[in-house]
Amino acid sequence: EDQVTQSPEALRLQEGESSSLNCSYTVSGLRGLFWYRQDPGKGPEFLFTLYSAGEEKEKERLKATLTKKESFLHITAPKPEDSATYLCAVRRSGGYNKLIFGAGTRLAVHP
Amino acid sequence: DVKVTQSSRYLVKRTGEKVFLECVQDMDHENMFWYRQDPGLGLRLIYFSYDVKMKEKGDIPEGYSVSREKKERFSLILESASTNQTSMYLCASTQGGDGYTFGSGTRLTVV
Repeated sequence: EDQVTQSPEALRLQEGESSSLNCSYTVSGLRGLFWYRQDPGKGPEFLFTLYSAGEEKEKERLKATLTKKESFLHITAPKPEDSATYLCAVRRSGGYNKLIFGAGTRLAVHP
Repeated sequence: DVKVTQSSRYLVKRTGEKVFLECVQDMDHENMFWYRQDPGLGLRLIYFSYDVKMKEKGDIPEGYSVSREKKERFSLILESASTNQTSMYLCASTQGGDGYTFGSGTRLTVV
């Protein structure tokens, strides 16, 4: 069965304290791993898509990496405005473009 | 930018009412999705549609139905609302190769 597990559930950081969020997955025929950011009361906002092991993508203080079993979202020198829930999702082959989501990691960055 | 618009941000309905949640996208996307989001459970797929008048059940379709009469509009129907359908409802669309674009969500409370 396809499954996405994110850890930790919640993470509290001081401003400038770098860390990583984990997304481990089990899926038949990965056709993309997606990272989203969600602010309270809003819909998720797309961050990155990764397609193959070894691929990396960066955007400002965020960098996403992918292996055959997991993905990491690295946050370098975070700021309070990086506080949000970060969602990971996978798409499998032959799946009508359905995404399977993890439960998310709630990140709080304090000044 | 693709826009996905959900007609209501907040709704309060009574148990047993028939509830309609509307979603409109403006980029001619073929695929549209309805998810519900609950704390600790992440996003769960209710129904999706890959073409006009076509629909497929997701992981939790019980108590819901959908309608897609036009390509840009995908409606979620709660046939007889119950308190366990209190949730955040998210609509999304995609053309296929990309990640989803989400709407802002509808927070539904059933009393």
